[in-house]
Amino acid sequence: AQTVTQSQPEMSVQEAETVTLSCTYDTSENNYYLFWYKQPPSRQMILVIRQEAYKQQNATENRFSVNFQKAAKSFSLKISDSQLGDTAMYFCAFMKLFSSNTGKLIFGQGTTLQVKP
Amino acid sequence: DSGVTQTPKHLITATGQRVTLRCSPRSGDLSVYWYQQSLDQGLQFLIQYYNGEERAKGNILERFSAQQFPDLHSELNLSSLELGDSALYFCASSARDGNTYEQYFGPGTRLTVT
Repeated sequence: AQTVTQSQPEMSVQEAETVTLSCTYDTSENNYYLFWYKQPPSRQMILVIRQEAYKQQNATENRFSVNFQKAAKSFSLKISDSQLGDTAMYFCAFMKLFSSNTGKLIFGQGTTLQVKP
Repeated sequence: DSGVTQTPKHLITATGQRVTLRCSPRSGDLSVYWYQQSLDQGLQFLIQYYNGEERAKGNILERFSAQQFPDLHSELNLSSLELGDSALYFCASSARDGNTYEQYFGPGTRLTVT
């Protein structure tokens, strides 16, 4: 069974600075996707970024980028130029491909990020 | 706004009762997923439907059931409710434009069982 671990329950960062959120996962699969979702105080789940396991290049979306280390089973999220609106809980998620359960997202426990002015 | 709608936003009911949560996926999306978010269990996958058929099942209790209708909206039925069923229930949808793997979440239904 796959598991996703986020070892940092809470983090804080000053506005305009850079912060990195950690995520590790455990799987014997070779084909999968990894995601970061953001859940602000409104509780809406918002997709931040996606990484395909077969791609060596790290995904980037504006101020958000990932460091994907497949051998180490590590998938960290870097937020550059942090903004107050980045304050949220961030969830790392794993999805196995090419199986009867493709589509099932397995989430980590979440990291609460506070951006301070 | 993800384009996924869920009703109602809030629901308060008593133990032993039955409720129905409704989800309308993004236009054109064929897959609907249900997730439960609680303090104890975190975010857990419950069930997936694709174009009206059950595709995958997660940690869904026997007291819970779901279905997807021909117009692609979905309903999650929760019966014999217990205090521990209090949670935020999310619906998500995907499978538009060939991009099957990105799921877009609705705003959730907060269920409180008293």
